[in-house]
Amino acid sequence: GESVGLHLPTLSVQEGDNSIINCAYSNSASDYFIWYKQESGKGPQFIIDIRSNMDKRQGQRVTVLLNKTVKHLSLQIAATQPGDSAVYFCAENPPGRALTFGSGTRLQVQP
Amino acid sequence: GAVVSQHPSRVICKSGTSVKIECRSLDFQATTMFWYRQFPKQSLMLMATSNEGSKATYEQGVEKDKFLINHASLTLSTLTVTSAHPEDSSFYICSASSGGGSNQPQHFGDGTRLSIL
Repeated sequence: GESVGLHLPTLSVQEGDNSIINCAYSNSASDYFIWYKQESGKGPQFIIDIRSNMDKRQGQRVTVLLNKTVKHLSLQIAATQPGDSAVYFCAENPPGRALTFGSGTRLQVQP
Repeated sequence: GAVVSQHPSRVICKSGTSVKIECRSLDFQATTMFWYRQFPKQSLMLMATSNEGSKATYEQGVEKDKFLINHASLTLSTLTVTSAHPEDSSFYICSASSGGGSNQPQHFGDGTRLSIL
């Protein structure tokens, strides 16, 4: 079946560096995408979303890029901090259906 | 805003026990609530979608008689794991959406760690 996948299961970065987490989605009908952060033992926390009529959206220290041509989504975190260490999930939302989550990327921030 | 509270956060019980988990939207009305299951180091797998006042829609492979879902109000949904067995041990997470579940962010509770002995 269709699924959302990630290229890297674990990403290790130095504190202060920028982080980029990538995601490939397969449902071309998906028109809404969300990035979530999940810390150990907690539920996913909303970070940023983007609709398919946009290719870039910025938040506080985070930017999401959407490339519909190649069905690729990325999350950029500027000046990564130890508190950013967590598992990050992308999720796609086909019209009329529930979110489908990717497999997740663990971000490790080295002090 | 958009706070979802899930209770209890952890349950340890004997095999054969039924366990009820509550999910509440504290500051918004949730027309749609979702229940997920997550095994260690894995992603969230959708179990069912529930709309207030109607029967839940279960994903393929999820037993509706095993996992009873009730969404009686716009702020409360419950998941009851009936006659739980060790293989039901998992992290159960609910989410809520105010916009019918499509093109609206889902806000998640902090999950319930269920351990069946």
